[in-house]
Amino acid sequence: AQSVAQPEDQVNVAEGNPLTVKCTYSVSGNPYLFWYVQYPNRGLQFLLKYITGDNLVKGSYGFEAEFNKSQTSFHLKKPSALVSDSALYFCAVREPPGYALNFGKGTSLLVTP
Amino acid sequence: GAVVSQHPSWVICKSGTSVKIECRSLDFQATTMFWYRQFPKQSLMLMATSNEGSKATYEQGVEKDKFLINHASLTLSTLTVTSAHPEDSSFYICSAREAGTSGLDTQYFGPGTRLTVL
Repeated sequence: AQSVAQPEDQVNVAEGNPLTVKCTYSVSGNPYLFWYVQYPNRGLQFLLKYITGDNLVKGSYGFEAEFNKSQTSFHLKKPSALVSDSALYFCAVREPPGYALNFGKGTSLLVTP
Repeated sequence: GAVVSQHPSWVICKSGTSVKIECRSLDFQATTMFWYRQFPKQSLMLMATSNEGSKATYEQGVEKDKFLINHASLTLSTLTVTSAHPEDSSFYICSAREAGTSGLDTQYFGPGTRLTVL
């Protein structure tokens, strides 16, 4: 069975500061890991994914995530937060050969001016 | 990037009526489409997986006779909520996986449909 945990319901960051949104996973095989962002009353927008290769993955809007196999984590990071980054962030895992995504509960990011 | 649309974006209906939601991949062909349901301030819950030309696979606890899914073409899947009741009110989101890709694929999500059943 596969699962994803986002331990923080909300993360508050001041604009210009670095941000981290945490995600840990549990799968029996090699995971495919994803981050999506959701703005109010909107669908999900793809940010980045890890399939294989370099543990540091760079994605859209300046976001990046680091895959850490020993800690089974895939934390989302950004060096300098923007107010417009305020949204709901979802970590998801897919365990091949299936294609369905298993989502974490989401973390609300609030960036204050 | 790949674009997925949903129609309608919101719908209000009376209890007992049926509502059809369309999910379209606009610039790619989707072998597989997924339907999710999201309650306020909660995560997305997978309802069913829809493969073009075959029957949908429903997740445990999802009534297949209530949530009818049709994936008649590589660019269109529909979800029909039959005999809707207030407890069916939710945000329904579809996603699509591009046909012909390897396992290194990405799911692209539609903007969602807000269903309110009175």
